[in-house]
Amino acid sequence: DAKTTQPPSMDCAEGRAANLPCNHSTISGNEYVYWYRQIHSQGPQYIIHGLKNNETNEMASLIITEDRKSSTLILPHATLRDTAVYYCIVLWYSGGTSYGKLTFGQGTILTVHP
Amino acid sequence: NAGVTQTPKFQVLKTGQSMTLQCAQDMNHNSMYWYRQDPGMGLRLIYYSASEGTTDKGEVPNGYNVSRLNKREFSLRLESAAPSQTSVYFCASSDRFYGYTFGSGTRLTVV
Repeated sequence: DAKTTQPPSMDCAEGRAANLPCNHSTISGNEYVYWYRQIHSQGPQYIIHGLKNNETNEMASLIITEDRKSSTLILPHATLRDTAVYYCIVLWYSGGTSYGKLTFGQGTILTVHP
Repeated sequence: NAGVTQTPKFQVLKTGQSMTLQCAQDMNHNSMYWYRQDPGMGLRLIYYSASEGTTDKGEVPNGYNVSRLNKREFSLRLESAAPSQTSVYFCASSDRFYGYTFGSGTRLTVV
């Protein structure tokens, strides 16, 4: 699986958009970009994923560059509850099965300030 | 819908004791995983089961064994606990379209 690079920490003001970058320059054609977050010591929580097109759900938006070498997770209106460690992970799936091993790096510690 | 359930939530063991961490999912996922997380670190994969009847080693398998009992259940066994195995253990299951779902963790201390 491709390796990812994220900044170790970021700050954001409450109510503003939080833009979290991720570099994955060695990504291959059948690898997806996934984002997870971990709040305090809870289990990681799925946020969003995409292959090549931009994606949006009720939690966030994912912008993937055309060459797929980097992506940005956008939390449109950050709240204090969004303070967490955010992990960008590249994952390969085998055919139609659900096989794929998540490999966690250090992630980005996002701190949302009042 | 409970998702992924782990038991116990907390456990203290003496060095050399054995125990089994239980994990069950009710989402009909094929794949299941065991991770450990040490303080200030990311999660590291111990073992995984791509489908019922198969298991494979992850990044840090030494000192652990697993059993995929059926599609729902995946257990992690420590045969002879060591202080280095003090950690938080997370079980997860995965679906291609909705990613991984994690349990709430088991906090294990080996003294």
